[in-house]
Amino acid sequence: EVQLVESGGGLVQPGGSLRLSCVVSGFSFSDHYMDWVRQVPGKGLEWVGRIRTKANSYTTEYGASVKGRFTISRDDSKNSLYLQMNSLKIEDTAVYYCGRDRRASAAYMDVWGEGTTVTVSS
Amino acid sequence: DIQLTQSPSSVSASVGDKVTINCRPSQGMNRNLAWYQQKPGRAPKLLIYDASSLQSGVPSRFSGSGSGTDFSLTISSLQPEDFATYFCQQADSFPLSFGGGTKVEIK
Repeated sequence: EVQLVESGGGLVQPGGSLRLSCVVSGFSFSDHYMDWVRQVPGKGLEWVGRIRTKANSYTTEYGASVKGRFTISRDDSKNSLYLQMNSLKIEDTAVYYCGRDRRASAAYMDVWGEGTTVTVSS
Repeated sequence: DIQLTQSPSSVSASVGDKVTINCRPSQGMNRNLAWYQQKPGRAPKLLIYDASSLQSGVPSRFSGSGSGTDFSLTISSLQPEDFATYFCQQADSFPLSFGGGTKVEIK
């Protein structure tokens, strides 16, 4: 069964840091680009960023609101995706989802985790 | 950056109704557009990709169409399990973006 499981969410103060993880199973993780998407409860979806595969030098893309503060990485040996979040702001409060890109040529997410909640508050 | 405007923001419909949701990009784009369904407390589910291709396992009552600056998702005969929120997403250029969502409610 294809599965993505996020973890690492929690309560953090403004200006703090948090690292989210996404462990995958049931497919060849190293062959897929991966994304992070977030959602304020009751609101819309916001794309956070994307990481490509080793064959594409693990290059990354980020949304404007997180660029320079968030870093996406992966460890193919551990079937794991990461989101390092620094300089957190109240507006980063959201449910964070990891998603698998359906194919490299177009970033559609065909498998999603159930999300982990990040709350930024003093 | 491409912004996506969805309409309507909500629609009330009955089982068996045909429902159409629109998604308009802020600039013309290729058919690199997807549609997702999301139910409360759950992750989004991919329904349509490349504007009109049906994702494996998705019922054929869902269809997508459009190009350029006008895309749409149609549910031909609404079923009880289709009451949810629907989002479009463009994969034409970075940063990727989503529409604001359309909530399909029971009339």
